[in-house]
Amino acid sequence: GQQVMQIPQYQHVQEGEDFTTYCNSSTTLSNIQWYKQRPGGHPVFLIQLVKSGEVKKQKRLTFQFGEAKKNSSLHITATQTTDVGTYFCAGPYSGGYQKVTFGTGTKLQVIP
Amino acid sequence: NAGVTQTPKFRILKIGQSMTLQCTQDMNHNYMYWYRQDPGMGLKLIYYSVGAGITDKGEVPNGYNVSRSTTEDFPLRLELAAPSQTSVYFCASSYSRGGWGVGNQPQHFGDGTRLSIL
Repeated sequence: GQQVMQIPQYQHVQEGEDFTTYCNSSTTLSNIQWYKQRPGGHPVFLIQLVKSGEVKKQKRLTFQFGEAKKNSSLHITATQTTDVGTYFCAGPYSGGYQKVTFGTGTKLQVIP
Repeated sequence: NAGVTQTPKFRILKIGQSMTLQCTQDMNHNYMYWYRQDPGMGLKLIYYSVGAGITDKGEVPNGYNVSRSTTEDFPLRLELAAPSQTSVYFCASSYSRGGWGVGNQPQHFGDGTRLSIL
């Protein structure tokens, strides 16, 4: 079945350092979404990428969709304590119809 | 708009008991979903619905049932609760203008129901 893996599983960084999480799919994706979940909270949609090689920025966050549309990355520049949480990527379920398969997630801890 | 509202927020059940987790959304979204999230893990799709009267199984449907009689409400029923169903349950909704090929739309999540079965 379709799998969406993320690495690393956990990341501790010093405040001000950069952070990157990678998302890899076993199948080609038509699009990919990224969500953030704060500790004790619910997932919140961040962005969606659709085009091969697409790069989108949201302030200190940079999202990239691979050329082959099988991988994606989220890079945070100069992390802040507000960036703490788990970041999930999500790709279309192989069965389609608005279902997504969530990645395994990367838990980010920022040390002040 | 309240968005997606889930009740209750917390619940403790005994093995073998049953309960219904409520979910309602006021965004007129046609798609609704139920996920479970075990501690430190990702989200697993339990059931989903593409509109009133239409539901389908996700990855982990065993032990659960759903119904969708209105656009707004999508309750999740647990029958004969088991310790393996201890988890956080999230309801989500999204809007789609069409079916396959349109592209996935962002999902809006409720705050979750934290369920323990002892």
